[in-house]
Amino acid sequence: GQQLNQSPQSMFIQEGEDVSMNCTSSSIFNTWLWYKQDPGEGPVLLIALYKAGELTSNGRLTAQFGITRKDSFLNISASIPSDVGIYFCAGQLRGSQGNLIFGKGTKLSVKP
Amino acid sequence: GAVVSQHPSRVICKSGTSVKIECRSLDFQATTMFWYRQFPKQSLMLMATSNEGSKATYEQGVEKDKFLINHASLTLSTLTVTSAHPEDSSFYICSARDESYEKAFFGQGTRLTVV
Repeated sequence: GQQLNQSPQSMFIQEGEDVSMNCTSSSIFNTWLWYKQDPGEGPVLLIALYKAGELTSNGRLTAQFGITRKDSFLNISASIPSDVGIYFCAGQLRGSQGNLIFGKGTKLSVKP
Repeated sequence: GAVVSQHPSRVICKSGTSVKIECRSLDFQATTMFWYRQFPKQSLMLMATSNEGSKATYEQGVEKDKFLINHASLTLSTLTVTSAHPEDSSFYICSARDESYEKAFFGQGTRLTVV
């Protein structure tokens, strides 16, 4: 089936550091979404991207829709302890019904 | 922003019983809703696509007789886990697609424990 490769799998960083994670695929996507999931909760949408090359920010978060439409990255600047969690990328394939394909997640740990 | 409410958030049931999970879009109409399953420390796997007024589309390997999906209105989809077994214990998450924003929003998730 379709796959998204998300990396890194996990990150251990110091508070204040910047974070970068990305997702790549061999398929073309119409939409890229980035979610954060806290333990025991459902994923919460952080940023949605709809056009190739689009760069969107949400506070300290910035995400970009790759120009080839096969990749996306998420950056978090000046990390804080509450950034801890699992970040998932998700993409909607061109021509699909709207279901999302998820990356395996990046687990972020932040040391105060 | 759009809100999706999923209920219950936690449920414990005995083996052999059935459990119903509800997913509601609170401020938008969702012709399509999706049900995902998440095992510990893993990503979300699509189980089925729920279409209002028609039969759900199940992913390969998902038993449609075991995981009954009903999407009777534009704001409600239900997932019923029938004759639950301990291996069905998992985190189940629904999402609803808001066509006007082209985004998918997720419910809070339901942690099912079958004892």
